[in-house]
Amino acid sequence: QGHLVQSGAEVKKPGASVRVSCKISGYILIELSIHWVRQAPGKGLEWMGSFDLEDGERIYAQQFQGRVTMTEGASTDTAHMELSSLRTEDTALYFCAIPAPGRDVLDYWGQGTLVTVSS
Amino acid sequence: DVQMTQSPSTLSASVGDRVTVTCRASQNIDDWLAWFQQTPGKAPKLLIYKASTLDSGLPSRFSGSGSGTEFTLTITSLQPDDFATYYCQQYDSYPWTFGQGTKVEIK
Repeated sequence: QGHLVQSGAEVKKPGASVRVSCKISGYILIELSIHWVRQAPGKGLEWMGSFDLEDGERIYAQQFQGRVTMTEGASTDTAHMELSSLRTEDTALYFCAIPAPGRDVLDYWGQGTLVTVSS
Repeated sequence: DVQMTQSPSTLSASVGDRVTVTCRASQNIDDWLAWFQQTPGKAPKLLIYKASTLDSGLPSRFSGSGSGTEFTLTITSLQPDDFATYYCQQYDSYPWTFGQGTKVEIK
């Protein structure tokens, strides 16, 4: 069973960057692909991209290309998502999610991290 | 990109009702489709994967069907915990995409 715990809420100014962390237990990180999904207030779910820790492949949704970076943390159980050049429309709840090893579907989710972008 | 379109956007129903949500893909995704349930402020919860496989431990009143471009989620005998928003999501090709959501509300 996977368990994902994300870092706390952030408030940022336009133009700044934010890094959201996702601590994973129950599985070995190298066996996983980490996906990031966001949800603006009152809106639907938007897939941002994925990072396969086994082969290092990163796939980013086009609308985030050049602004998003998905990485593995220095510790062996944490992944990060950094979003730069923040705009007010980046205000959203950001989720990390993983398929269980050997599966393709998003089985386990973090609790979400609220990022507020405001001047 | 594969566009996912759900209908209806909102559905009003009563406890005990049978409800059906439809999801249409803009191109063939075989059966690479998942359904999620979400309540406000919470993470989505996986209900159905591979279009029709109920995730482990979930009640059998939830079922999914379809393949190719047309899919349905059916809830028989709606329960109080089922009032939530439901999303379909394709994982046939990147970028993965979600439907816009269907809110099931109390009539």
